[in-house]
Amino acid sequence: EAQVTQNPRYLITVTGKKLTVTCSQNMNHEYMSWYRQDPGLGLRQIYYSMNVEVTDKGDVPEGYKVSRKEKRNFPLILESPSPNQTSLYFCASSFEPSGVSPLHFGNGTRLTVT
Amino acid sequence: AQSVTQPDIHITVSEGASLELRCNYSYGATPYLFWYVQSPGQGLQLLLKYFSGDTLVQGIKGFEAEFKRSQSSFNLRKPSVHWSDAAEYFCAVGAETNFGNEKLTFGTGTRLTIIP
Repeated sequence: EAQVTQNPRYLITVTGKKLTVTCSQNMNHEYMSWYRQDPGLGLRQIYYSMNVEVTDKGDVPEGYKVSRKEKRNFPLILESPSPNQTSLYFCASSFEPSGVSPLHFGNGTRLTVT
Repeated sequence: AQSVTQPDIHITVSEGASLELRCNYSYGATPYLFWYVQSPGQGLQLLLKYFSGDTLVQGIKGFEAEFKRSQSSFNLRKPSVHWSDAAEYFCAVGAETNFGNEKLTFGTGTRLTIIP
């Protein structure tokens, strides 16, 4: 089954404790991206990747890091989480660039930073 | 830069009634337009998309949307809603560039409640 898998689904952590949210897709997609969803703001892109070792900032990259060492994986790293990063996070992948191609989304990771 | 406006934050309709969710976009050239649905606890699922051609597009679950260039709109419609349509709906606009970094911009979403 074609899917994007995110882990964990729920995460509660404390300010400053480094964490990683994993994302994996099995569709051999070149394009992957991370979004955060906040009430009243819709989805905003954090980072995206056009291929292995090719990443770029989205609209709200501050406080986040990503890496793309393999085509299927695109982890999101919060090196020093802060309460304003409490949000619902989605990973997505697509066959073509996200602006012109349907996105396949994971089921989300709800992060709470206290 | 492109932008999307979904003017209705929350809409309530009766089961079996018709539905129209509004979406207005801003973009200088021909946009790529999408509607996504997010059921509770789930990721987003593509309902339909418009790239070019026929301005009335059909999607999954009985939804359709009409692209109106003169009004910069891409409204989502369904003739008769079912209780399972209760969800949040997002309109999104994208664009093609020469750099391979095309971005998708989402609206703020419309939450749909269905009453019996």
